[in-house]
Amino acid sequence: DTAVSQTPKYLVTQMGNDKSIKCEQNLGHDTMYWYKQDSKKFLKIMFSYNNKELIINETVPNRFSPKSPDKAHLNLHINSLELGDSAVYFCASSQEDRSIYEKLFFGSGTQLSVL
Amino acid sequence: GEDVEQSLFLSVREGDSSVINCTYTDSSSTYLYWYKQEPGAGLQLLTYIFSNMDMKQDQRLTVLLNKKDKHLSLRIADTQTGDSAIYFCAEYDNNDMRFGAGTRLTVKP
Repeated sequence: DTAVSQTPKYLVTQMGNDKSIKCEQNLGHDTMYWYKQDSKKFLKIMFSYNNKELIINETVPNRFSPKSPDKAHLNLHINSLELGDSAVYFCASSQEDRSIYEKLFFGSGTQLSVL
Repeated sequence: GEDVEQSLFLSVREGDSSVINCTYTDSSSTYLYWYKQEPGAGLQLLTYIFSNMDMKQDQRLTVLLNKKDKHLSLRIADTQTGDSAIYFCAEYDNNDMRFGAGTRLTVKP
């Protein structure tokens, strides 16, 4: 059973389009995240959601918006796609418990190519 | 510049030990991690260390932490071909997770 699954695995689209990437976790975790991996493999956090509340919002363009219909899902919507949005996007989840280390479980990534 | 730095490539022979090094910059980081990424797969947590520890051993893996120099290393004993992957070090502090660019480990038979 896949713990954290995201779809699609690959996404190729034209500049200016609006697209979504879906993420689901079956671990019962309270917090979900979106990370962007740049061409140098550097992972930067974009958002995290805890019980439907946005608790982290790094300085990403407002064209990016996370949507969480329930605790098990955190989808990433991107409006007016730009060439610079091309990257691999990773979804992750963790159990919200600040008394122990945060153990992140990652999805396999979505490779987004904007033409 | 990047917050967490690591060399991009490492090549070893099967059976040798591998040492992957990482330098981080945030002295308030509470936990430091090593993740492994195989082709087409997500990041898999290998091991972690609390910032108040110097060393942690877990089977073939040994993590060393030098807080003074903000240096973290991962030693893999008896490296196997299945260990070939990209290894990421990461630091965690108050809900902020920062990863290095990853070190590609190649194990030659």
